[in-house]
Order: sequence, then structure tokens, then C-alpha cells
Amino acid sequence: GQQVMQIPQYQHVQEGEDFTTYCNSSTTLSNIQWYKQRPGGHPVFLIQLVKSGEVKKQKRLTFQFGEAKKNSSLHITATQTTDVGTYFCAGAYSGAGSYQLTFGKGTKLSVIP
Amino acid sequence: KAGVTQTPRYLIKTRGQQVTLSCSPISGHRSVSWYQQTPGQGLQFLFEYFSETQRNKGNFPGRFSGRQFSNSRSEMNVSTLELGDSALYLCASSLARLGIEQFFGPGTRLTVL
Repeated sequence: GQQVMQIPQYQHVQEGEDFTTYCNSSTTLSNIQWYKQRPGGHPVFLIQLVKSGEVKKQKRLTFQFGEAKKNSSLHITATQTTDVGTYFCAGAYSGAGSYQLTFGKGTKLSVIP
Repeated sequence: KAGVTQTPRYLIKTRGQQVTLSCSPISGHRSVSWYQQTPGQGLQFLFEYFSETQRNKGNFPGRFSGRQFSNSRSEMNVSTLELGDSALYLCASSLARLGIEQFFGPGTRLTVL
């Protein structure tokens, strides 16, 4: 089946430092979605990228979709303690009338105040 | 607008038993997807229902089944429970098919003893 690799698995940063998580798919994606899950919570949708080379920003968060639509990254500038949580990418694959969403294993971000 | 609700929130069962979990999507959402979340495997897609029909299925054994009712509410059933079925089961709804923003419920924490 389809696989989405996400690295790193864990990241500890000092408050104010930057953070990046990367996702890679072995096959071309229709789109990629990013979610954040706070400790004890459920995943919350952040953004969806659809176009090749797309870059979207949400305040301190920058999302990129690779030119080949096989990889993506999420970059957080100047992390804050409110950024703590696990960030998941989810790759959407389509073909033969079916659609599948495959989640990466997530990057757990800890922010040291 | 009320969010996705799941019942029950917590469940303890013993091996060999069966269990039924319920999910009520956001009003107007027609797609309901189910996921299993464990520390080791992360978020794994179980299946998606749209207009009362299963549209996509993940790589889980036939012991895992589901259905969707005409009001879009969905149930998931697991028969002959195994210890490895202990997990957080998340339901997510979206306006249309998979591949767009999904809204997750709080999950049902299932423990199999």
C-alpha cells in the first residue's frame, strides 16, 4: 500500500527556535494535508496543499508541497509553548475511482520554555 | 455548529468479545471515516463511508466493519476482539469525499483485556 514517511519522529526545541518536519511519499500525491494533535486531544486540520510547488503561510507556519508532489514540509518560525503537539501529514492518493488518505507517523514537538 | 461526537468515550472489553462504536458527524457532512490510532502504528485508516456506502477501505482484517445510516451517522464494529485492538478509535467527517478537510471527533478509547 501507499506509505508516507515523516521525519523526525521527535523534536525538542528551545522556545524561540525554529522547527521543521518533513513528509515523503513514494508515489505522487493528489494533495497533502497537515494536522496538529495536542496531547490528549484529537487531530485538527491545519491546511491542504494541492498544487505542485505550492507554498502557504499561516502566521508563523509555512507549508510547502514539492514540485513532484511527493514531498512536503511544515516549518514553524520562533516556536512558542502553544505549538506543542504532534504534527501529522496525510497524503491523499487517488486512482481508479478510489481515494485513500495515508497519515505519516507524526512528529512530536516539545518546546522548552 | 456542533462538532463530531463519538460514543462511548471509553470502553473496556475482554478478548473474544465484540464492540460497536458510534459516530455522529457534523450536520451536513456526508463522509465519515474511521481511524485507529496507536503509539506504535500511528493513525491508520480503517474505512470511509459516503452516502451509506463504503467507498474506501484500509488494510484491516474483516473483523473490522462499519456502516452508515441515512442521517450520515456511522457505526464501527469489531468482532472477536484481540489484545492488539486496544487503541484510540477516531471518527472524522467531511463535507464530501476523502481528500478534503476532515473534522475529527474526540475518539473512543478501547481497552481489551
